[in-house]
Amino acid sequence: SAVISQKPSRDICQRGTSLTIQCQVDSQVTMMFWYRQQPGQSLTLIATANQGSEATYESGFVIDKFPISRPNLTFSTLTVSNMSPEDSSIYLCSVVGTSGLGQYFGPGTRLTVT
Amino acid sequence: AQSVTQLGSHVSVSEGALVLLRCNYSSSVPPYLFWYVQYPNQGLQLLLKYTTGATLVKGINGFEAEFKKSETSFHLTKPSAHMSDAAEYFCAVSPQGGSEKLVFGKGTKLTVNP
Repeated sequence: SAVISQKPSRDICQRGTSLTIQCQVDSQVTMMFWYRQQPGQSLTLIATANQGSEATYESGFVIDKFPISRPNLTFSTLTVSNMSPEDSSIYLCSVVGTSGLGQYFGPGTRLTVT
Repeated sequence: AQSVTQLGSHVSVSEGALVLLRCNYSSSVPPYLFWYVQYPNQGLQLLLKYTTGATLVKGINGFEAEFKKSETSFHLTKPSAHMSDAAEYFCAVSPQGGSEKLVFGKGTKLTVNP
């Protein structure tokens, strides 16, 4: 399976600021996704990161709040904009495996907003 | 639309005892089903997946799951629990093999007692 890294691994940010999270994969992948895991909760899909075009957002998530870039087949960024304490979560990127069956997750970015 | 129900947010077993984590799904199309494990302060690791074919699926770390269409279930089992199995387990469903979004259950936290 692909090796996925995320930066930063954790951060503490002040409300009103923005944080950009990076996701790097060691091989080219077709599909990349961004998920949010709020404290004590399950994972919710934020958006599908599309290479060379705008991301596809799930209901309840908007581009102004969570802009996503995907300049190539191995890299994507998620920005959490104008943060509030409610944005405190773990943010995870995932990729579809080479077999096309199943997703593999990065280690996550633990964000705390004060 | 797909959905996943995990019965029991917390399960506690003794070391050496059988582990049974329950997952029921709802899907309008033949589902692809997954179990993930999340160790404390880590990302998600794919345990096993059901796509097509054999309904009994073996995964890593001695876990297995059986797809029962008539019961819309995909329960996870392990014959003998080990202390290192203590983690949170998530069941997920995807309509197209995980190349689209995964819909996760709320998770089951497994505690293994010595």
